[in-house]
Amino acid sequence: DTGVSQDPRHKITKRGQNVTFRCDPISEHNRLYWYRQTLGQGPEFLTYFQNEAQLEKSRLLSDRFSAERPKGSFSTLEIQRTEQGDSAMYLCASSFRDRAYEQYFGPGTRLTVT
Amino acid sequence: GENVEQHPSTLSVQEGDSAVIKCTYSDSASNYFPWYKQELGKGPQLIIDIRSNVGEKKDQRIAVTLNKTAKHFSLHITETQPEDSAVYFCAAKGPSYGKLTFGQGTILTVHP
Repeated sequence: DTGVSQDPRHKITKRGQNVTFRCDPISEHNRLYWYRQTLGQGPEFLTYFQNEAQLEKSRLLSDRFSAERPKGSFSTLEIQRTEQGDSAMYLCASSFRDRAYEQYFGPGTRLTVT
Repeated sequence: GENVEQHPSTLSVQEGDSAVIKCTYSDSASNYFPWYKQELGKGPQLIIDIRSNVGEKKDQRIAVTLNKTAKHFSLHITETQPEDSAVYFCAAKGPSYGKLTFGQGTILTVHP
């Protein structure tokens, strides 16, 4: 069990650029979640996949954000036309169908928009 | 939607003392309450959880209690050690799929 992995760990980009993050869940975990965490706050839910189906999206996920999980394994989160307010830690979590409530988080991708 | 309030925001204890962190939630349909520990530069780590049909759960030095009537739950850490120093988050899962709503976090500092 290698845990949830995320890539890159850090990303610095200029305002207006597009960025894409990748998440690899724990093997055989069919559920995958994206959260955003700003400094001094708890994680905020963005979206949730069960296998390849995106089942829930937060209102925080504006039309500049898109997430995919094309084959039910890894997932990508893309932010288009980044804004300074997008600066945050983007966390991915996964859970296994038989213990679906237990979400295991990756180390996160820290995004800084300059 | 669900709202989770967490107190205190900071907690400082001496090594060996106990620490208690409290959370309240708003949605009576919430049915799962995990606690996470987050160290600097790392993702949250699940340390203990409790479901709505259980009042208390213990795992070595940590325990969680749930009062469904009052809609609050608490984390208890006994015999604290310096390595317990971290930010602790409570969370609640409502009836919708897997979304967790987190509290604002408690910075726990254990002084040797």
